[in-house]
Amino acid sequence: AQSVAQPEDQVNVAEGNPLTVKCTYSVSGNPYLFWYVQYPNRGLQFLLKYITGDNLVKGSYGFEAEFNKSQTSFHLKKPSALVSDSALYFCAVRDITGGGNKLTFGTGTQLKVEL
Amino acid sequence: EPEVTQTPSHQVTQMGQEVILRCVPISNHLYFYWYRQILGQKVEFLVSFYNNEISEKSEIFDDQFSVERPDGSNFTLKIRSTKLEDSAMYFCASSENLVNQPQHFGDGTRLSIL
Repeated sequence: AQSVAQPEDQVNVAEGNPLTVKCTYSVSGNPYLFWYVQYPNRGLQFLLKYITGDNLVKGSYGFEAEFNKSQTSFHLKKPSALVSDSALYFCAVRDITGGGNKLTFGTGTQLKVEL
Repeated sequence: EPEVTQTPSHQVTQMGQEVILRCVPISNHLYFYWYRQILGQKVEFLVSFYNNEISEKSEIFDDQFSVERPDGSNFTLKIRSTKLEDSAMYFCASSENLVNQPQHFGDGTRLSIL
């Protein structure tokens, strides 16, 4: 079975400061990992993915994430937060070895960036 | 940029009634999905669809649920006899292929069962 944990319900950060949104995962095989963002009354918008290769992946709007196999983590980061980054962020995993094509999501982390 | 579109944005239905949620996936995508998000809970996988058949489904996707691609553009989710606990946001998604492309989501249909 595959699962995702996002340990923080909410992260608050000041504009201009770096931000980190944490994600850990559990799969029986090899993972594909994704970050999505959800703005109010909108669907999930794809930010970035880790498939293979470089552990540091870069995505939309200046976001990046680091895959750490030993810690089974895929934390989302941004060097300098903007107020417009305030939204709900979801980490998701797909177990490519175990087969199947469903995404399993975490519970989401509300990011609040303040002036 | 191409988008997944869902209609209606909000559907209110009496318990026991049938409801059909509609989605137009991105035109060159081959894989289609439905997910749901009950208020305050995580996004949950319901079903995936490829080559005109269900490729995977979750425990939630019981006999009350069905999916169909009635023509070359639409992808529908039917709930035959709705229950109060079916109230949720339903998201359609599509992807180009299975292996390494992300799933792209629509804005969802909020289903309210009275």
